[in-house]
Amino acid sequence: SQQGEEDPQALSIQEGENATMNCSYKTSINNLQWYRQNSGRGLVHLILIRSNEREKHSGRLRVTLDTSKKSSSLLITASRAADTASYFCATDAGSNYQLIWGAGTKLIIKP
Amino acid sequence: EAGVTQSPTHLIKTRGQQATLRCSPISGHTSVYWYQQALGLGLQFLLWYDEGEERNRGNFPPRFSGRQFPNYSSELNVNALELEDSALYLCASSSVGGAETQYFGPGTRLLVL
Repeated sequence: SQQGEEDPQALSIQEGENATMNCSYKTSINNLQWYRQNSGRGLVHLILIRSNEREKHSGRLRVTLDTSKKSSSLLITASRAADTASYFCATDAGSNYQLIWGAGTKLIIKP
Repeated sequence: EAGVTQSPTHLIKTRGQQATLRCSPISGHTSVYWYQQALGLGLQFLLWYDEGEERNRGNFPPRFSGRQFPNYSSELNVNALELEDSALYLCASSSVGGAETQYFGPGTRLLVL
């Protein structure tokens, strides 16, 4: 079953605006990861944040983790057309260290 | 460094046939994962192999099987294909087994007619 749930399911913004996506999960975790998938291709790892971290940055990406609320957010600043993709969160809450994936947020950046 | 490779890129089969999908992990990675992604949906975990052994299996029928070879490459076999098996099949590898960062291949798109 999918534990992570991304919100919103779809997001359309103008180029240059910031995009925020959220992920909620149900059980305790050791880490949470965000991945990007362009147009039905393979996924690309963006950021891994551990349960003892609250915030992590990578270029224009900022990820926060609130373990008390069992939620994470991914912020993409100054969006570009190339950021158009689906974004997935994955947690390590599965049995035998299996990653549990959300259904994804589809982000469209309008030029 | 070469990434994860998968073959074939596209595969067309008819109901009842068998499909074989192949994956080569990043050099030095011993763990290989298989996922199924139906059109427009999230990833469903299929199988995890590490050091030649099946470590975990998702909620799929036994006609989904696979193996990992001594060079850590892997094969996914789907027997008695059904129409609903049509999907993108993604392979990923990692250097540490389990829930650490996974590196994905481009996928094999399987169409069952």
